[in-house]
Amino acid sequence: AQSVAQPEDQVNVAEGNPLTVKCTYSVSGNPYLFWYVQYPNRGLQFLLKYITGDNLVKGSYGFEAEFNKSQTSFHLKKPSALVSDSALYFCAVRAYSGNTPLVFGKGTRLSVIA
Amino acid sequence: GAGVSQSPSNKVTEKGKDVELRCDPISGHTALYWYRQRLGQGLEFLIYFQGNSAPDKSGLPSDRFSAERTGESVSTLTIQRTQQEDSAVYLCASSLTPGGGNYGYTFGSGTRLTVV
Repeated sequence: AQSVAQPEDQVNVAEGNPLTVKCTYSVSGNPYLFWYVQYPNRGLQFLLKYITGDNLVKGSYGFEAEFNKSQTSFHLKKPSALVSDSALYFCAVRAYSGNTPLVFGKGTRLSVIA
Repeated sequence: GAGVSQSPSNKVTEKGKDVELRCDPISGHTALYWYRQRLGQGLEFLIYFQGNSAPDKSGLPSDRFSAERTGESVSTLTIQRTQQEDSAVYLCASSLTPGGGNYGYTFGSGTRLTVV
């Protein structure tokens, strides 16, 4: 069975500081990994994905994520946070093979303080 | 259409009533998914349609929940005899290829269901 853990319900960071939102996963075989962001009263928006290749993937709005197979992690990062980055972030996983739907984590609320 | 469209955006219903939620996916997207997001919770998978294949209903929480999809177009999620614990945001997503492929899903803005 596939699962995702986002250990932090809330992350607070000062504007201009680097941010990290943590995600670990469990899946049989190789994973497809995704990050989505949800702004208030909006649907989820795709940020970035890892399929194969470089472990560091870059996505929208200056975000990046690092795939670490040995630690089964896919942490989301940004070098310099903006107040506008404040939102709910979801990590999701599915197995590389097959057509199973994405399994999402519980989400982490990021608050960037000016 | 340009995006995934869901209607209504908000629905308040009395306990015991039936409700029907609608999702209009992106044209050409073969896969369609329904998820539920309860307050303060993550996304809970409900059901997945892929083309003309039998849907994956493994996430439906009870037999009060059902969903239909006509070909590769509109889907409706029906909840019968609604209960207060059904209150949530119901999200629909579609994708070009099965399982989301390389591009993930495109989500609608959701239907906020409140059962009173």
